[in-house]
Amino acid sequence: EDQVTQSPEALRLQEGESSSLNCSYTVSGLRGLFWYRQDPGKGPEFLFTLYSAGEEKEKERLKATLTKKESFLHITAPKPEDSATYLCAVQFDQTGANNLFFGTGTRLTVIP
Amino acid sequence: DSGVTQTPKHLITATGQRVTLRCSPRSGDLSVYWYQQSLDQGLQFLIQYYNGEERAKGNILERFSAQQFPDLHSELNLSSLELGDSALYFCASSRQGAVGEGYTFGSGTRLTVV
Repeated sequence: EDQVTQSPEALRLQEGESSSLNCSYTVSGLRGLFWYRQDPGKGPEFLFTLYSAGEEKEKERLKATLTKKESFLHITAPKPEDSATYLCAVQFDQTGANNLFFGTGTRLTVIP
Repeated sequence: DSGVTQTPKHLITATGQRVTLRCSPRSGDLSVYWYQQSLDQGLQFLIQYYNGEERAKGNILERFSAQQFPDLHSELNLSSLELGDSALYFCASSRQGAVGEGYTFGSGTRLTVV
């Protein structure tokens, strides 16, 4: 069964304390892996797309990497404004469709 | 402002009632997706429309239906509402749905069924 699993469910960091979030997937025919950020009561905000193993993308304090089975979102020297839920989603081969399947997210809290 | 507009922002209704949620996609986007987000289940894909035609169905209940109109706005109809239907409902849009397009989400409609 196709599945996307994120860990940990919640993470508390001190400001400046770097860490990584994990997204593991078991889908056939991965077409893309997406990272989103979601603030409470708001819609998810697109961060990155990764297409193939070995690919990396960076944006400010965030860096996303991809292997054949999982993706990591590395957060370097986080600030309180990085507090949010980070969602991972996959798009895979489906006839005539391109919808995303989401994990349940990692809720990140950065303490000043 | 993401460019995807959802109305209303909040909706409180009683069990057994019917409601309609509306979504206007970002300008130029042909695909519209509906998702349900509840506390314990994360974002669940409901249905996708592309240029007026249904493209994919996810975990959408038979009590729910959707359509996309010629001006590309979409409506999600929820009927015979139950307490468990209380959730955030998000609409997202993308252009032709190519890989890597990354959806743009609206700010959601919070539905509370009492």
